[in-house]
Amino acid sequence: QKEVEQNSGPLSVPEGAIASLNCTYSDRGSQSFFWYRQYSGKSPELIMSIYSNGDKEDGRFTAQLNKASQYVSLLIRDSQPSDSATYLCAVKGGTGFQKLVFGTGTRLLVSP
Amino acid sequence: DAGVIQSPRHEVTEMGQEVTLRCKPISGHNSLFWYRQTMMRGLELLIYFNNNVPIDDSGMPEDRFSAKMPNASFSTLKIQPSEPRDSAVYFCASRAGTNEKLFFGSGTQLSVL
Repeated sequence: QKEVEQNSGPLSVPEGAIASLNCTYSDRGSQSFFWYRQYSGKSPELIMSIYSNGDKEDGRFTAQLNKASQYVSLLIRDSQPSDSATYLCAVKGGTGFQKLVFGTGTRLLVSP
Repeated sequence: DAGVIQSPRHEVTEMGQEVTLRCKPISGHNSLFWYRQTMMRGLELLIYFNNNVPIDDSGMPEDRFSAKMPNASFSTLKIQPSEPRDSAVYFCASRAGTNEKLFFGSGTQLSVL
């Protein structure tokens, strides 16, 4: 079992719709969770971080965390063509140095 | 700030040759990471330095890979000898202190023929 799993997609949504990206992880001790966005041919950039159960909103983005279900999601409201990218879920363990483990990413396509 | 700077952007080499990838972290960042990205395996951490000291190199695939950080502003990742399965995009990333945010360089696209 992979440590961090994501559906590779592509996930296709029309402009203005809500895009829902999902991620599951295997390490129950994980405490920090991140979403990175990676445009084709570019490097990943951090867009959201979440540490406690529930929702965290930042503009059009909402990260959701459910530690009991070992599930993290990212919602993008009012999706724009410029949101088309690969979204990487990353999970970090407990105390001390714990490496950030990335999923293989979900490709999102937002059509005009 | 110029961000994390990697060189070269692209490297094409033949199997068996030595490859050296270079990275300059953001000034003031004390943690540096080398990642490798492939379609099949995604982003994998190869090695992590803190204050120029290697902390975790468990991700280095084998002895053909080595990494150094002689000072706070420079790191290298060397592959010797290179093999076709090493073909990937290699990213360097840095962060400041205990801040969780990683800043990635533009990556080096390595092709080993």
